[in-house]
Amino acid sequence: EVQLVQSGAEVKKPGESLKISCKTYGYSFTNFWIGWVRQMPGKGLQWMGVIYPGDSDTKYNPSFEGQVSISADRSISTAYLQWRSLKASDTAIYYCARHNGGSYSPRFPDYWGQGTLVTVSS
Amino acid sequence: EVVLTQSPGTLSLSPGERATLSCRASESVSGTFLAWYQQKHGQAPRLLIYGASSRATGVPDRFSGSGSGTDFTLTISRLEPEDFAVYYCQQYVISPQTFGQGTKLEIK
Repeated sequence: EVQLVQSGAEVKKPGESLKISCKTYGYSFTNFWIGWVRQMPGKGLQWMGVIYPGDSDTKYNPSFEGQVSISADRSISTAYLQWRSLKASDTAIYYCARHNGGSYSPRFPDYWGQGTLVTVSS
Repeated sequence: EVVLTQSPGTLSLSPGERATLSCRASESVSGTFLAWYQQKHGQAPRLLIYGASSRATGVPDRFSGSGSGTDFTLTISRLEPEDFAVYYCQQYVISPQTFGQGTKLEIK
């Protein structure tokens, strides 16, 4: 059974760094793109970017490039989303999602994690 | 980026009725690279439809998708109480992938 299990909720101050995780089970981690989707409070879904763990190829939404980093550790089948300096506007739920499709291009997200709530407040 | 516009913003219907949700793209979504998701309050999105009309594993057959190019539709033939939720369309052919703003399906 495919499962994506995310790390727990975080409360941080502006300017702090953060790395959240998404551990995967039940499929070959290196053969599927995995990415992150943001949902700000009371709002819709925003696709942030993906990584292909097989070769670490990464694609970012231009709106998020330079603001976050997406990485993966093949040895523990885990993907990460990282910030160097958080802002209050980063407050949101972040979902990881496996993307269907082959190595050439990610397709639709088919399995989702439960979400990680990140709260940034002074 | 491709802008997806969903209509209506809110749809008020009763159990047993038919729901028709629309998603229009600002440019052609090459063929049928469009998906639909259901999100209930406090839960992660759930994949319903991919390739515009293919149901994901375990999705009841009362859910169906249609369309191509710039106009897509999600139809729920007979609403069940558990179907009242927010629905999002998503295109995944042009990077960055984008979602519509959502349609809230509420009980009348």
